[in-house]
Amino acid sequence: DARVTQTPRHKVTEMGQEVTMRCQPILGHNTVFWYRQTMMQGLELLAYFRNRAPLDDSGMPKDRFSAEMPDATLATLKIQPSEPRDSAVYFCASGPDGYQPQHFGDGTRLSIL
Amino acid sequence: QKEVEQNSGPLSVPEGAIASLNCTYSDRGSQSFFWYRQYSGKSPELIMSIYSNGDKEDGRFTAQLNKASQYVSLLIRDSQPSDSATYLCAVPMDSSYKLIFGSGTRLLVRP
Repeated sequence: DARVTQTPRHKVTEMGQEVTMRCQPILGHNTVFWYRQTMMQGLELLAYFRNRAPLDDSGMPKDRFSAEMPDATLATLKIQPSEPRDSAVYFCASGPDGYQPQHFGDGTRLSIL
Repeated sequence: QKEVEQNSGPLSVPEGAIASLNCTYSDRGSQSFFWYRQYSGKSPELIMSIYSNGDKEDGRFTAQLNKASQYVSLLIRDSQPSDSATYLCAVPMDSSYKLIFGSGTRLLVRP
């Protein structure tokens, strides 16, 4: 089965450090999404790409978060500087074009001390 | 503000019973609807997609869609303890590829 691959699976770091999360979407999928999940807020969409072009990043704190897709096989989400309130599980999902469902990676569990 | 509403639960049913999970959405133009299952500590997993009014069955799962009333439901027949999870309803927003997720209904199946 094709899967979305995310790395790292877990990350613990100190406040102020840069955090980079990576995602390899399913081959052939041309939409890629970044979500953040917390107990309080549920699943929040941070950013999404179509054919590697960013379409919407309105869910992201622009001053510290950035999302890029340098090629079709890699999407990145960076936080610089990180803060304790960024602690959450970050999911990447990909989907084929059209109104088709997204498939999620296993997530990165991020803890900022 | 486009919304997807679900009862947070928990919905507790005995093993073997039918579990009924409901979801309402605000965007009357929505054309596709998805149910995801999320076990604790895991990622959401797609279990059902439905695009037209009526019922769609897949094994023990049946999705029901009523666009006029703007609700979609998920029935789980012969519920098993392994079905205990949070079920998320997701609807595309504004004819885009963005999915709006409900907050999820936690299902607990008692042995």
